[in-house]
Amino acid sequence: DVKVTQSSRYLVKRTGEKVFLECVQDMDHENMFWYRQDPGLGLRLIYFSYDVKMKEKGDIPEGYSVSREKKERFSLILESASTNQTSMYLCASSFTLGLAGGSYRTDTQYFGPGTRLTVL
Amino acid sequence: RKEVEQDPGPFNVPEGATVAFNCTYSNSASQSFFWYRQDCRKEPKLLMSVYSSGNEDGRFTAQLNRASQYISLLIRDSKLSDSATYLCVVTPISSGSARQLTFGSGTQLTVLP
Repeated sequence: DVKVTQSSRYLVKRTGEKVFLECVQDMDHENMFWYRQDPGLGLRLIYFSYDVKMKEKGDIPEGYSVSREKKERFSLILESASTNQTSMYLCASSFTLGLAGGSYRTDTQYFGPGTRLTVL
Repeated sequence: RKEVEQDPGPFNVPEGATVAFNCTYSNSASQSFFWYRQDCRKEPKLLMSVYSSGNEDGRFTAQLNRASQYISLLIRDSKLSDSATYLCVVTPISSGSARQLTFGSGTQLTVLP
């Protein structure tokens, strides 16, 4: 069974604090993702990584950074937390499937249980 | 326009009913399609992939209409345990990589006893 774990289920921080959210997967997946989920807005991609030390911006990267020093671990960093970053944060991982013609796509994404972050 | 649009619901149906959800996508290059299920306060999990020819998994049937750019999910003989939010998901494949998935906002289903 694929397992994706996140460091905290609930977190409360104050405005201006630096926040680290950690995600670990045990299936040797190349791709890892950070999303936030808000009512009415669905899942929005913040950053993703397709290899160690590689990262790409998603749809809403502002105010966030990421780190991937090891294949199994992907960290999301809020340099200076703000109240509009109060949200549910979900980490996911997946394999890359190679396709004919040299293109590729992500396989099924497996999600961690989420971290509900409140910024006061 | 959102890349993936779903009716948010809620859909409230009695046990045993048949219910259908539709989802439209804007990127005609989208090539892979999925339905994920998310229970309350839980993470999303893959329900089923959607193939061009349509596919069935027990009480669940998924269909794809490329010409109209929509995907559907049909649930027959609905159970209380089917109550969840159903997320429509697409991914484009182009000449480069397609590592991202684009999620719809979800359709909420409640099956009533």
